[in-house]
Amino acid sequence: GQQVMQIPQYQHVQEGEDFTTYCNSSTTLSNIQWYKQRPGGHPVFLIQLVKSGEVKKQKRLTFQFGEAKKNSSLHITATQTTDVGTYFCAGRGSFGNEKLTFGTGTRLTIIP
Amino acid sequence: NAGVTQTPKFRVLKTGQSMTLLCAQDMNHEYMYWYRQDPGMGLRLIHYSVGEGTTAKGEVPDGYNVSRLKKQNFLLGLESAAPSQTSVYFCASSYSPSGDPTDTQYFGPGTRLTVL
Repeated sequence: GQQVMQIPQYQHVQEGEDFTTYCNSSTTLSNIQWYKQRPGGHPVFLIQLVKSGEVKKQKRLTFQFGEAKKNSSLHITATQTTDVGTYFCAGRGSFGNEKLTFGTGTRLTIIP
Repeated sequence: NAGVTQTPKFRVLKTGQSMTLLCAQDMNHEYMYWYRQDPGMGLRLIHYSVGEGTTAKGEVPDGYNVSRLKKQNFLLGLESAAPSQTSVYFCASSYSPSGDPTDTQYFGPGTRLTVL
């Protein structure tokens, strides 16, 4: 079955430093979504990428979808304490079935 | 709109006991999902439903049953709880035929279950 891996599992950064998490799928994806889960909270949708090579920005967050549609990344510039949480990618298979496969997540902590 | 709600928020069970988790959504979504979240393992799909009266197995269905008698509700049942089912359970819903082209999944606040 489809597997989605994320690295790193944990990341500790000084406030103001940049942060990147990477997502890799064992199969080609039709689209990929990113979610953020604050400590003690539930996952909240951030963005969806559909096109090969697509790049989208949300303020300090930059999301990329690989040319082969098998990998993706989330980059945060100049982290702030509000960025704390776990970031999940979730991929949907190339046949467009209804299930998302979530990555294992990257937990980001900020050192003030 | 309340979005997705889950009851209860917390529960402690003894091994062998049974319980039902209730998920309700008021967004007229067709699809509903039950996930469990364990440290270092992300979100794993237990069961899902693509419409009222339908259910299907996900990645980790053993030990759980579900029902979708009404479009807005999705129930997750544990017939005989085991310590391995200690986890945080999240319900989610998605896909409204009338909108949301991104097919976002909306999550409930979660149920923290401990099985002793």
